[in-house]
Amino acid sequence: DTEVTQTPKHLVMGMTNKKSLKCEQHMGHRAMYWYKQKAKKPPELMFVYSYEKLSINESVPSRFSPECPNSSLLNLHLHALQPEDSALYLCASSQGLAVSSYNEQFFGPGTRLTVL
Amino acid sequence: SQQGEEDPQALSIQEGENATMNCSYKTSINNLQWYRQNSGRGLVHLILIRSNEREKHSGRLRVTLDTSKKSSSLLITASRAADTASYFCATDRGGSNYKLTFGKGTLLTVNP
Repeated sequence: DTEVTQTPKHLVMGMTNKKSLKCEQHMGHRAMYWYKQKAKKPPELMFVYSYEKLSINESVPSRFSPECPNSSLLNLHLHALQPEDSALYLCASSQGLAVSSYNEQFFGPGTRLTVL
Repeated sequence: SQQGEEDPQALSIQEGENATMNCSYKTSINNLQWYRQNSGRGLVHLILIRSNEREKHSGRLRVTLDTSKKSSSLLITASRAADTASYFCATDRGGSNYKLTFGKGTLLTVNP
């Protein structure tokens, strides 16, 4: 299984809502990532988890809260978002973060988030 | 700031022609990768080239890397309409603070 799955595919939420994005992989990968992508722009890294521990936080606002319950799952909890947070949120995984290792990232299809 | 800068930003060709996209970067790298993204979808890894490699092939793809010029090119030969997508280069610097940084991308349109 070389697939990264993400749910939901689409999400519309108000600024006062609390929602969560979910990501799952069963490739035994130990690194998982969240990216944000605006239209016609490249993906921007938000968070990196390595062995279920937060490794990188790219100065993301606290209204985004990541969670890695186990090595296969990655969540992104959303609260009090702003309309400018509307974007495609991509999850990815890779074998690990070791120096000089082969670090191909496998991406999920993304969640299209609209904040009203 | 973006590590990678692709050019052209957009490229339109006819089916059967070759497509060449370029990527420049600013700092030393460990690996350089190319990804494809169909409209509004996730990214698909195409090929990885290490900093000590100069050229790599995979099917109809050919990637070159010139570390002295801090640049890479992706050549797609005998293009097909299904190759229509955005193509991104992405670099990493290795080390414990691993981070993959994407360039701005090239939108390739292959007309049937």
